[in-house]
Amino acid sequence: DSGVTQTPKHLITATGQRVTLRCSPRSGDLSVYWYQQSLDQGLQFLIQYYNGEERAKGNILERFSAQQFPDLHSELNLSSLELGDSALYFCASSTGGGGTDTQYFGPGTRLTVL
Amino acid sequence: LAKTTQPISMDSYEGQEVNITCSHNNIATNDYITWYQQFPSQGPRFIIQGYKTKVTNEVASLFIPADRKSSTLSLPRVSLSDTAVYYCLVGARRGGGYNKLIFGAGTRLAVHP
Repeated sequence: DSGVTQTPKHLITATGQRVTLRCSPRSGDLSVYWYQQSLDQGLQFLIQYYNGEERAKGNILERFSAQQFPDLHSELNLSSLELGDSALYFCASSTGGGGTDTQYFGPGTRLTVL
Repeated sequence: LAKTTQPISMDSYEGQEVNITCSHNNIATNDYITWYQQFPSQGPRFIIQGYKTKVTNEVASLFIPADRKSSTLSLPRVSLSDTAVYYCLVGARRGGGYNKLIFGAGTRLAVHP
C-alpha cells in the first residue's frame, strides 16, 4: 500500500459526459501527479501540482483539467469524453516537486467510456 | 528534454540475472535516473535511483557509465514475481521551474520457470 488513495476504482460512462477523479496523496506529500495509461501503453504524464500550484504540464488535453485543494487532495476533471479517453488514470504523490523525488502511485481509476 | 529508449521486451528464466538498459543521450547535468516497476493494473513502484557510477539496494543495482548517456538496471536471480514492466525515468530537481516527466515505453520482462 503506497498510501495514495484514488476514487472511484472503476468508472463507466458515456461519450460526451464529464467525470471527476479524486486523489489523496500520502500524508506529508506536497506534490500530486496525474498520468494516463491506455491499454498496453506506457504512462503518459498529464500534469503536476505542488502545494496547490501547477508545477508541470504534459500532454494534457484542453478537455481535461485538474486542481489541487488546500488540503492537498487533487481532482482531475475529464469533460466531453470520447471513446479514446478510456484508460487507467493514475495519481502519484511525492514529498517535493522536483524530478528526482520518488513518486508513490495510487491504485488507479479505470475509466471506461461507452 | 531527455528522452529515454528501452527494449520493448525481454525474456529470462528463474534464477538468472537480468540487465535492462536505458538510453538517454540527451541527459542533462542535473538529471537523475530512476527506475520503476509496474505489475498489470497496478501503479508503478519505485525500484532505484542514481546519478552516476553504481547504486545498489536490496532489490536491484543501477550501473551508470561516466558519460551517463545510458544506464543499466540489474536484477539478480529473478523469480516469476519479477515479471512486470520496467520504466526508466530521467528528471532533475529544478527549483521553481517546470519539470516535465517522461516515462519511456517501458520494458516488458517475462520470467519463465
